[in-house]
Amino acid sequence: SAVISQKPSRDICQRGTSLTIQCQVDSQVTMMFWYRQQPGQSLTLIATANQGSEATYESGFVIDKFPISRPNLTFSTLTVSNMSPEDSSIYLCSVLSSGGINEQFFGPGTRLTVL
Amino acid sequence: QKEVEQNSGPLSVPEGAIASLNCTYSDRGSQSFFWYRQYSGKSPELIMFIYSNGDKEDGRFTAQLNKASQYVSLLIRDSQPSDSATYLCAVNSYGNKLVFGAGTILRVKS
Repeated sequence: SAVISQKPSRDICQRGTSLTIQCQVDSQVTMMFWYRQQPGQSLTLIATANQGSEATYESGFVIDKFPISRPNLTFSTLTVSNMSPEDSSIYLCSVLSSGGINEQFFGPGTRLTVL
Repeated sequence: QKEVEQNSGPLSVPEGAIASLNCTYSDRGSQSFFWYRQYSGKSPELIMFIYSNGDKEDGRFTAQLNKASQYVSLLIRDSQPSDSATYLCAVNSYGNKLVFGAGTILRVKS
């Protein structure tokens, strides 16, 4: 499976600021996804990062709050904008395997705390 | 609203026993089903996938799928303390997306 890295691994931010999270894959992948995992909760899909076009957002998530870039097939960023304490979560990127079974592999995650 | 339901647990089993984790899903069109293991403070790790009715075995793990009943399960034989984790059931949705259940906490007591 692909090796996925995320930066930063964790951060503590002040409300009203923005944080950009990077996701780097060691091989080209067709699809990348961004998830949020709130404390004690399961994973919720934020959006699908599309290479060369705008991301596809899930219900309840909007581009102004979570802008996403995907400039190539190995890299994506997620920005959490105008943060509030409710944005404190783990943010995870994942990639779709090329094996054809739709399995996804996850990066190590970014633990965000908003004060 | 596509849903995936799991008992949150915790499920406690003694070391060496069989742990049985269950999951139901609402979307009859789902074709692929996944079990992820998540240790505290870590990201989810894929341990099994299944897409045909019946059983699929991989080492100590067996995934079971019954599409008619919309039911997926994971059996862990000879449970070890290192199996203590949260187990997430995930079901594929349109656009290659996954819908996750809330997860079941498994505790294996030595």
